[in-house]
Amino acid sequence: TQLLEQSPQFLSIQEGENLTVYCNSSSVFSSLQWYRQEPGEGPVLLVTVVTGGEVKKLKRLTFQFGDARKDSSLHITAAQPGDTGLYLCAPPQPGTYKYIFGTGTRLKVLA
Amino acid sequence: GAGVSQTPSNKVTEKGKYVELRCDPISGHTALYWYRQSLGQGPEFLIYFQGTGAADDSGLPNDRFFAVRPEGSVSTLKIQRTERGDSAVYLCASSYQPQSEAFFGQGTRLTVV
Repeated sequence: TQLLEQSPQFLSIQEGENLTVYCNSSSVFSSLQWYRQEPGEGPVLLVTVVTGGEVKKLKRLTFQFGDARKDSSLHITAAQPGDTGLYLCAPPQPGTYKYIFGTGTRLKVLA
Repeated sequence: GAGVSQTPSNKVTEKGKYVELRCDPISGHTALYWYRQSLGQGPEFLIYFQGTGAADDSGLPNDRFFAVRPEGSVSTLKIQRTERGDSAVYLCASSYQPQSEAFFGQGTRLTVV
């Protein structure tokens, strides 16, 4: 099993602040997905990144896949209370069809 | 249906009992995954189906856990002789094909008392 680390584990910020969360591994991945999960719900797919160095934007969210495809980041601009949730990165485990999940970053945005 | 549907949404059972958890994937999705999520953790892989067959069951913790997908659509996760440590949210996801985008259901919260 490949080690997948997400940081920070917890983040509490005020509305309007910017933040970045990270997903790191020593393994090279063919792609990586980011999910947001709210309490009592299943994870909801935000984006898939495939190419090393790729940057994708989803409104105020910017996702980047590292050049070596071992890491990824999610930057949120002007966070809003609706961004509150558990952010999970999930690459497919190399050589398999199963996705592996990090422990996630639990974000709380205070109004 | 429009999304992945899991039933029941909540299940409380006594230690030692047998439980079945059901997953209805998105129509036309050939790949189906079961995950287990404990409090404060990310989802942990249990088993993956491609069509009717279990292509990877390496995540099943022991032989008390079993899953089927007889017609390549609905899947049932079966847990025998439940233990308190089995308490978790069991998530099902489906995708059009392996390693394409996976869509999750809301999960079944299993509590073993």
